[in-house]
Amino acid sequence: NAGVTQTPKFQVLKTGQSMTLQCAQDMNHNSMYWYRQDPGMGLRLIYYSASEGTTDKGEVPNGYNVSRLNKREFSLRLESAAPSQTSVYFCASSEAPGGNIQYFGAGTRLSVL
Amino acid sequence: QKEVEQDPGPLSVPEGAIVSLNCTYSNSAFQYFMWYRQYSRKGPELLMYTYSSGNKEDGRFTAQVDKSSKYISLFIRDSQPSDSATYLCANTNAGKSTFGDGTTLTVKP
Repeated sequence: NAGVTQTPKFQVLKTGQSMTLQCAQDMNHNSMYWYRQDPGMGLRLIYYSASEGTTDKGEVPNGYNVSRLNKREFSLRLESAAPSQTSVYFCASSEAPGGNIQYFGAGTRLSVL
Repeated sequence: QKEVEQDPGPLSVPEGAIVSLNCTYSNSAFQYFMWYRQYSRKGPELLMYTYSSGNKEDGRFTAQVDKSSKYISLFIRDSQPSDSATYLCANTNAGKSTFGDGTTLTVKP
């Protein structure tokens, strides 16, 4: 019962470095999401994919790109990391396109120095 | 104004207390009202949800929605130390969720 799996769990980057956060779900869900969570600011949507082959911007997309590789996998890329991108990143999935109940991964803690 | 405003907390109560967690929202289009629980250094997990107005009960937890006042509440009866977590309210419309900032609850034995 893996659910939503995120890798890596922790990462430290220097300003300007790039990296890709990986997310995979084994629940055959259609929709997938990337959020960031900062202290006292709740969850903010970065990008989402309503179904395989589609991606859309969320509330805070600047500085990020995404790829919906297949139905299972949805990756988030930071091309040139900035200290403002220090955060905890969560991937989530939901059954129906735009489904209301979301299942979350354990998160990736990213620090950009 | 944020679409979802949540009482910030933190909240500390003795074991056995009744806890009330509250949110207000501004978008009348919201139909689904969710409560997620997030333990420290974990991802959020859905606790319960309601559709439209009314109450929903699940064991010690009751979710209440008042659409006339745009007010959402989660009540926890007989609170336990294991209930210590951050609780996030979320409203959903067309599959896109808007989350409150969360209220951190500590239940002391």
